[in-house]
Amino acid sequence: EPEVTQTPSHQVTQMGQEVILRCVPISNHLYFYWYRQILGQKVEFLVSFYNNEISEKSEIFDDQFSVERPDGSNFTLKIRSTKLEDSAMYFCAGQDGRSYEQYFGPGTRLTVT
Amino acid sequence: KQEVTQIPAALSVPEGENLVLNCSFTDSAIYNLQWFRQDPGKGLTSLLLIQSSQREQTSGRLNASLDKSSGRSTLYIAASQPGDSATYLCAVRNTNAGKSTFGDGTTLTVKP
Repeated sequence: EPEVTQTPSHQVTQMGQEVILRCVPISNHLYFYWYRQILGQKVEFLVSFYNNEISEKSEIFDDQFSVERPDGSNFTLKIRSTKLEDSAMYFCAGQDGRSYEQYFGPGTRLTVT
Repeated sequence: KQEVTQIPAALSVPEGENLVLNCSFTDSAIYNLQWFRQDPGKGLTSLLLIQSSQREQTSGRLNASLDKSSGRSTLYIAASQPGDSATYLCAVRNTNAGKSTFGDGTTLTVKP
């Protein structure tokens, strides 16, 4: 059964550094999402992406964040200058076009020191 | 703004017991509601999706119901097993491709 994959599984970076989190969605999904979960808190929506454009973003998704689909398979989240409060688990998700069910990847744990 | 609440926050039951997890949401104009399971440090596994026009969905020992007018959903787990121990999350969407709004989750422990 197809799965959403994410790399790396864990990323440690210093404050102020740029990080790129990568996702490979299920091939026939058309809508893609990034969510994050700070330890012990709710899963929070960051951004949704359709047809190579951002369709919706939250107030968390400020100018430090960007998303891209550089080729037909990968979907990336970039944080330009990481802050301590960016430490969280970042999840990529895709939506099945028929059932509208969301499928999540295993997540990337980002630790900013 | 949609807000999702899950009660209880934690639940501990002996193996074999039937149990109910609750989810409530403030904006009843939802498109669908999805229940997920999350194991510690892991991703989210989809359990059941209920469209706004549906009243319930079943998968194996799981049954999810939806009462849109009262802003409530329940997840019923029959004959619980230790392997069911996890955090269960409820997520609500207000449009067909829009964001999901999550509850805090219910952490379930099933004791052998």
